[in-house]
Amino acid sequence: KAGVTQTPRYLIKTRGQQVTLSCSPISGHRSVSWYQQTPGQGLQFLFEYFSETQRNKGNFPGRFSGRQFSNSRSEMNVSTLELGDSALYLCASSPSVGNTEAFFGQGTRLTVV
Amino acid sequence: AQSVTQPDIHITVSEGASLELRCNYSYGATPYLFWYVQSPGQGLQLLLKYFSGDTLVQGIKGFEAEFKRSQSSFNLRKPSVHWSDAAEYFCAVGDSNAGGTSYGKLTFGQGTILTVHP
Repeated sequence: KAGVTQTPRYLIKTRGQQVTLSCSPISGHRSVSWYQQTPGQGLQFLFEYFSETQRNKGNFPGRFSGRQFSNSRSEMNVSTLELGDSALYLCASSPSVGNTEAFFGQGTRLTVV
Repeated sequence: AQSVTQPDIHITVSEGASLELRCNYSYGATPYLFWYVQSPGQGLQLLLKYFSGDTLVQGIKGFEAEFKRSQSSFNLRKPSVHWSDAAEYFCAVGDSNAGGTSYGKLTFGQGTILTVHP
Protein backbone atom coordinates (compact mmCIF):
# COMPACT_ATOMS: atom_id res chain seq x y z
CA LYS A 1 0.00 0.00 0.00
CA ALA A 2 1.44 3.37 -0.97
CA GLY A 3 2.19 5.83 1.81
CA VAL A 4 1.29 9.47 2.12
CA THR A 5 2.45 11.40 -0.94
CA GLN A 6 3.27 15.08 -0.79
CA THR A 7 4.07 17.21 -3.80
CA PRO A 8 6.20 19.01 -4.56
CA ARG A 9 9.10 17.95 -2.32
CA TYR A 10 10.89 21.27 -2.62
CA LEU A 11 9.67 24.73 -3.45
CA ILE A 12 11.24 28.19 -3.60
CA LYS A 13 8.95 31.20 -3.60
CA THR A 14 9.34 34.94 -3.30
CA ARG A 15 7.86 37.06 -0.52
CA GLY A 16 4.34 38.14 -1.32
CA GLN A 17 3.60 35.19 -3.59
CA GLN A 18 1.19 32.41 -2.77
CA VAL A 19 1.79 28.68 -2.77
CA THR A 20 -0.28 25.51 -2.89
CA LEU A 21 0.92 22.21 -1.46
CA SER A 22 -0.68 18.88 -2.19
CA CYS A 23 -1.17 15.74 -0.12
CA SER A 24 -2.52 12.35 -1.16
CA PRO A 25 -3.36 10.21 1.88
CA ILE A 26 -2.98 6.47 2.22
CA SER A 27 -5.67 4.70 0.26
CA GLY A 28 -8.77 4.35 2.42
CA HIS A 29 -7.72 7.03 4.90
CA ARG A 30 -10.23 9.84 5.21
CA SER A 31 -8.60 12.19 7.69
CA VAL A 32 -5.76 14.51 6.70
CA SER A 33 -3.82 16.84 8.98
CA TRP A 34 -1.15 19.40 8.22
CA TYR A 35 1.82 20.45 10.33
CA GLN A 36 4.51 23.09 10.02
CA GLN A 37 8.02 22.22 11.21
CA THR A 38 10.63 24.91 11.84
CA PRO A 39 13.85 24.86 13.88
CA GLY A 40 12.54 27.56 16.22
CA GLN A 41 8.93 26.52 16.78
CA GLY A 42 9.19 22.77 16.19
CA LEU A 43 6.16 20.87 14.94
CA GLN A 44 2.95 22.86 15.00
CA PHE A 45 -0.53 21.76 14.02
CA LEU A 46 -2.12 23.70 11.18
CA PHE A 47 -5.48 22.03 10.52
CA GLU A 48 -7.32 18.75 10.14
CA TYR A 49 -9.83 17.71 7.51
CA PHE A 50 -12.28 14.87 7.43
CA SER A 51 -14.94 14.29 4.79
CA GLU A 52 -14.11 17.60 3.12
CA THR A 53 -14.75 19.51 6.36
CA GLN A 54 -12.21 21.29 8.51
CA ARG A 55 -12.56 19.80 11.98
CA ASN A 56 -9.78 21.49 13.86
CA LYS A 57 -7.50 24.46 13.31
CA GLY A 58 -4.26 25.55 14.93
CA ASN A 59 -3.11 29.06 15.80
CA PHE A 60 -2.03 30.28 12.41
CA PRO A 61 -3.09 33.45 10.58
CA GLY A 62 -5.80 33.40 7.95
CA ARG A 63 -3.15 33.38 5.22
CA PHE A 64 -2.95 29.64 5.84
CA SER A 65 -5.89 27.74 4.45
CA GLY A 66 -6.69 24.28 3.25
CA ARG A 67 -9.27 22.06 1.71
CA GLN A 68 -10.05 18.42 1.17
CA PHE A 69 -11.56 16.85 -1.88
CA SER A 70 -14.06 14.02 -2.17
CA ASN A 71 -11.24 11.54 -2.82
CA SER A 72 -9.63 12.64 0.50
CA ARG A 73 -6.74 14.39 -1.21
CA SER A 74 -5.92 17.67 0.47
CA GLU A 75 -4.28 20.92 -0.44
CA MET A 76 -3.01 23.72 1.72
CA ASN A 77 -2.49 27.25 0.51
CA VAL A 78 -0.40 30.04 1.94
CA SER A 79 -1.03 33.50 0.57
CA THR A 80 1.18 36.58 0.80
CA LEU A 81 4.23 34.56 1.76
CA GLU A 82 6.57 35.86 4.44
CA LEU A 83 10.16 34.84 5.13
CA GLY A 84 8.99 33.18 8.34
CA ASP A 85 6.83 30.78 6.37
CA SER A 86 9.96 28.92 5.30
CA ALA A 87 9.51 25.48 6.80
CA LEU A 88 8.95 21.81 6.23
CA TYR A 89 5.23 21.23 5.77
CA LEU A 90 4.12 17.76 6.74
CA CYS A 91 0.89 16.05 5.89
CA ALA A 92 -0.46 13.14 7.89
CA SER A 93 -3.33 10.78 7.17
CA SER A 94 -5.42 8.71 9.55
CA PRO A 95 -7.91 5.94 8.85
CA SER A 96 -10.91 7.76 10.25
CA VAL A 97 -12.10 10.56 12.45
CA GLY A 98 -11.16 10.08 16.07
CA ASN A 99 -8.11 7.99 15.22
CA THR A 100 -4.92 9.87 15.99
CA GLU A 101 -2.63 7.16 14.66
CA ALA A 102 -1.20 9.46 12.03
CA PHE A 103 1.02 8.40 9.14
CA PHE A 104 3.22 11.15 7.78
CA GLY A 105 4.45 11.99 4.33
CA GLN A 106 7.99 13.07 3.47
CA GLY A 107 7.02 16.72 3.58
CA THR A 108 7.36 19.73 1.32
CA ARG A 109 10.33 21.97 2.02
CA LEU A 110 9.23 25.55 1.33
CA THR A 111 11.83 28.28 1.13
CA VAL A 112 10.67 31.89 0.92
CA VAL A 113 13.26 34.37 -0.39
CA ALA B 1 -4.18 23.10 26.74
CA GLN B 2 -2.02 20.04 26.40
CA SER B 3 1.76 20.24 26.28
CA VAL B 4 4.70 17.88 25.91
CA THR B 5 8.18 18.36 27.32
CA GLN B 6 11.25 16.50 26.19
CA PRO B 7 13.91 17.65 28.67
CA ASP B 8 16.90 16.42 26.66
CA ILE B 9 17.65 18.31 23.46
CA HIS B 10 20.60 16.11 22.52
CA ILE B 11 21.71 12.70 23.76
CA THR B 12 24.85 10.81 22.78
CA VAL B 13 25.27 7.10 23.41
CA SER B 14 27.69 4.43 22.30
CA GLU B 15 26.52 1.69 19.99
CA GLY B 16 25.28 -1.24 22.03
CA ALA B 17 24.47 0.88 25.06
CA SER B 18 20.97 1.21 26.46
CA LEU B 19 18.83 4.26 25.76
CA GLU B 20 16.10 6.15 27.55
CA LEU B 21 14.50 9.27 26.12
CA ARG B 22 12.32 11.24 28.49
CA CYS B 23 8.90 12.65 27.81
CA ASN B 24 6.53 14.45 30.17
CA TYR B 25 3.06 15.54 29.19
CA SER B 26 0.39 17.81 30.54
CA TYR B 27 -3.14 16.80 29.68
CA GLY B 28 -6.42 16.89 31.55
CA ALA B 29 -8.11 13.82 30.14
CA THR B 30 -7.02 10.34 29.13
CA PRO B 31 -3.88 10.88 27.06
CA TYR B 32 -3.19 9.32 23.71
CA LEU B 33 0.62 9.17 23.54
CA PHE B 34 3.01 8.56 20.67
CA TRP B 35 6.68 8.39 19.83
CA TYR B 36 7.83 9.29 16.33
CA VAL B 37 11.29 9.22 14.75
CA GLN B 38 12.55 11.51 12.02
CA SER B 39 15.68 11.07 9.94
CA PRO B 40 17.20 14.18 8.31
CA GLY B 41 15.05 15.50 5.48
CA GLN B 42 12.40 12.86 6.04
CA GLY B 43 8.91 12.69 7.43
CA LEU B 44 7.92 11.19 10.77
CA GLN B 45 7.70 7.46 11.36
CA LEU B 46 5.51 6.12 14.15
CA LEU B 47 7.50 4.00 16.61
CA LEU B 48 4.75 3.15 19.08
CA LYS B 49 1.53 4.40 20.63
CA TYR B 50 -0.40 4.20 23.88
CA PHE B 51 -4.15 4.51 23.96
CA SER B 52 -5.13 2.44 27.00
CA GLY B 53 -4.49 -0.86 28.73
CA ASP B 54 -1.03 -2.26 29.41
CA THR B 55 1.24 0.61 30.39
CA LEU B 56 4.30 -0.96 28.75
CA VAL B 57 3.97 -0.80 25.00
CA GLN B 58 6.19 -2.38 22.39
CA GLY B 59 7.01 -0.71 19.13
CA ILE B 60 9.01 -1.20 16.01
CA LYS B 61 12.80 -1.44 15.79
CA GLY B 62 13.07 -2.86 19.33
CA PHE B 63 11.72 0.23 21.10
CA GLU B 64 9.36 0.21 24.06
CA ALA B 65 7.78 2.90 26.19
CA GLU B 66 6.17 2.94 29.60
CA PHE B 67 3.20 5.11 30.51
CA LYS B 68 3.31 6.34 34.11
CA ARG B 69 0.21 8.34 34.94
CA SER B 70 1.48 9.35 38.41
CA GLN B 71 4.55 10.95 36.84
CA SER B 72 2.84 12.16 33.64
CA SER B 73 5.62 10.46 31.73
CA PHE B 74 5.96 8.30 28.66
CA ASN B 75 9.66 7.48 28.36
CA LEU B 76 11.07 5.66 25.36
CA ARG B 77 13.62 2.89 25.88
CA LYS B 78 15.80 0.55 23.89
CA PRO B 79 18.13 -2.01 25.48
CA SER B 80 20.85 -1.87 22.82
CA VAL B 81 21.24 1.03 20.40
CA HIS B 82 22.33 0.55 16.80
CA TRP B 83 24.11 3.18 14.69
CA SER B 84 21.03 3.33 12.46
CA ASP B 85 18.99 4.63 15.42
CA ALA B 86 20.67 8.03 15.11
CA ALA B 87 17.83 10.44 14.36
CA GLU B 88 15.51 12.91 16.05
CA TYR B 89 12.79 11.53 18.29
CA PHE B 90 9.49 13.22 19.04
CA CYS B 91 6.99 12.50 21.76
CA ALA B 92 3.42 13.59 21.07
CA VAL B 93 0.04 13.68 22.76
CA GLY B 94 -3.20 13.28 20.82
CA ASP B 95 -6.07 15.68 21.32
CA SER B 96 -9.39 14.48 22.64
CA ASN B 97 -12.62 15.98 23.80
CA ALA B 98 -14.10 15.65 27.26
CA GLY B 99 -15.74 12.39 26.34
CA GLY B 100 -12.42 10.81 25.40
CA THR B 101 -13.00 10.79 21.67
CA SER B 102 -9.79 11.57 19.92
CA TYR B 103 -9.29 14.05 17.16
CA GLY B 104 -6.51 14.32 14.66
CA LYS B 105 -4.45 17.02 16.32
CA LEU B 106 -1.11 16.02 17.78
CA THR B 107 0.91 18.21 20.12
CA PHE B 108 4.62 17.48 19.85
CA GLY B 109 7.57 17.95 22.14
CA GLN B 110 10.60 19.83 20.89
CA GLY B 111 12.40 16.62 20.00
CA THR B 112 15.55 14.85 21.17
CA ILE B 113 18.45 14.40 18.78
CA LEU B 114 20.16 11.06 19.26
CA THR B 115 23.79 10.64 18.25
CA VAL B 116 25.29 7.16 18.28
CA HIS B 117 29.06 6.70 18.61
CA PRO B 118 30.65 3.55 17.19
